[in-house]
Amino acid sequence: SQTIHQWPATLVQPVGSPLSLECTVEGTSNPNLYWYRQAAGRGLQLLFYSVGIGQISSEVPQNLSASRPQDRQFILSSKKLLLSDSGFYLCAWRAGTGGWKTQYFGPGTRLLVL
Amino acid sequence: KQEVTQIPAALSVPEGENLVLNCSFTDSAIYNLQWFRQDPGKGLTSLLLIQSSQREQTSGRLNASLDKSSGRSTLYIAASQPGDSATYLCAVVNWDTGRRALTFGSGTRLQVQP
Repeated sequence: SQTIHQWPATLVQPVGSPLSLECTVEGTSNPNLYWYRQAAGRGLQLLFYSVGIGQISSEVPQNLSASRPQDRQFILSSKKLLLSDSGFYLCAWRAGTGGWKTQYFGPGTRLLVL
Repeated sequence: KQEVTQIPAALSVPEGENLVLNCSFTDSAIYNLQWFRQDPGKGLTSLLLIQSSQREQTSGRLNASLDKSSGRSTLYIAASQPGDSATYLCAVVNWDTGRRALTFGSGTRLQVQP
């Protein structure tokens, strides 16, 4: 069966510090991968998606970036965090073919920027 | 641009009641619609997925319907239990060029009183 992992679970970082959040998927190959953010009082917003290694598409202009160094690994990064980067970050995967497939979400990383 | 709206934003019911959560979307050109459950501080759990060609899906006490032409979906929960307390999110996948990402509503926060 497929599983999706995210770490860390919780992170408190000062403004201006770097960020690296990791997501890995097990039990599938060539998944579509997604990063979403859920800010306080707001809905879930798509940040990045990837259809393959090294293929990243950004949905929202911001100081965050994403990378996919391996088929089942998706990393969210920032060089300098802003207060507005605080939120709940969710990674998701979907089977790589067919728009009708279910998306499955990881447990999330709660980020607080102070 | 797709917009998803969920009504009501919050709902409190006594245990045992049947209830309906509503979701509407502005662009009917969708692949599918998913209902998720989110417990506080947790990731998303997929409850039901309805393909654009389907009218409804059932899982246990849950039944989701889809009327694509009118841009509406409902999630029916029968015989509600305190364990059903959570935020319920509706999301759609649009016909587009490979993104296949979800556009979420802001959710309905459900509280089932024992």
